[in-house]
Amino acid sequence: GAGVSQTPSNKVTEKGKYVELRCDPISGHTALYWYRQSLGQGPEFLIYFQGTGAADDSGLPNDRFFAVRPEGSVSTLKIQRTERGDSAVYLCASSLPGQGGGEQFFGPGTRLTVL
Amino acid sequence: AQKITQTQPGMFVQEKEAVTLDCTYDTSDPSYGLFWYKQPSSGEMIFLIYQGSYDQQNATEGRYSLNFQKARKSANLVISASQLGDSAMYFCAMREGRYSSASKIIFGSGTRLSIRP
Repeated sequence: GAGVSQTPSNKVTEKGKYVELRCDPISGHTALYWYRQSLGQGPEFLIYFQGTGAADDSGLPNDRFFAVRPEGSVSTLKIQRTERGDSAVYLCASSLPGQGGGEQFFGPGTRLTVL
Repeated sequence: AQKITQTQPGMFVQEKEAVTLDCTYDTSDPSYGLFWYKQPSSGEMIFLIYQGSYDQQNATEGRYSLNFQKARKSANLVISASQLGDSAMYFCAMREGRYSSASKIIFGSGTRLSIRP
């Protein structure tokens, strides 16, 4: 079956611009997660959704970051007034809680570069 | 607060040898899950193996096994008969709470494994 997909795969933007990153989870997975991975580091948690609601947004670095999942499937991570420090790979993952160990399955990521 | 520590930034291993990647963790939650993920140079995160805090036996998946020592808060990954394709970054990770609940995963800093032919 299809895995987690993310678009775009690469995004280059200028400082101060607004960007949207999209994630399409594995069909039937109720939980969806966003992580950010800087070069040479492990992924850092940003936010996760259980269904349509954000169950934990404690990892969002500031109010420039926002995410939605209006129909409980596709999610969009939105970044306003981008800064050079936002440059990273943004990873999306999904899981079906209660299945196996609740392991999360990751998409290929969106590489964001802020010039 | 939960924490994952991987003390080996890089390792070199001869092909066909076994390799152990170290991971220690810290949590106050009696229910938690431990994971290992592989990240090749292509960037995708590949799930390898899972160990629940209440599991009595060490998890195994093919050539991967997890050496779970609960009292020492250790969850080392053992790869038997290493192959050139095993060269990648390996991340240890932990989720607090029962497996039936969705929850964030905390990752370690990773170990870069390089297999020599």
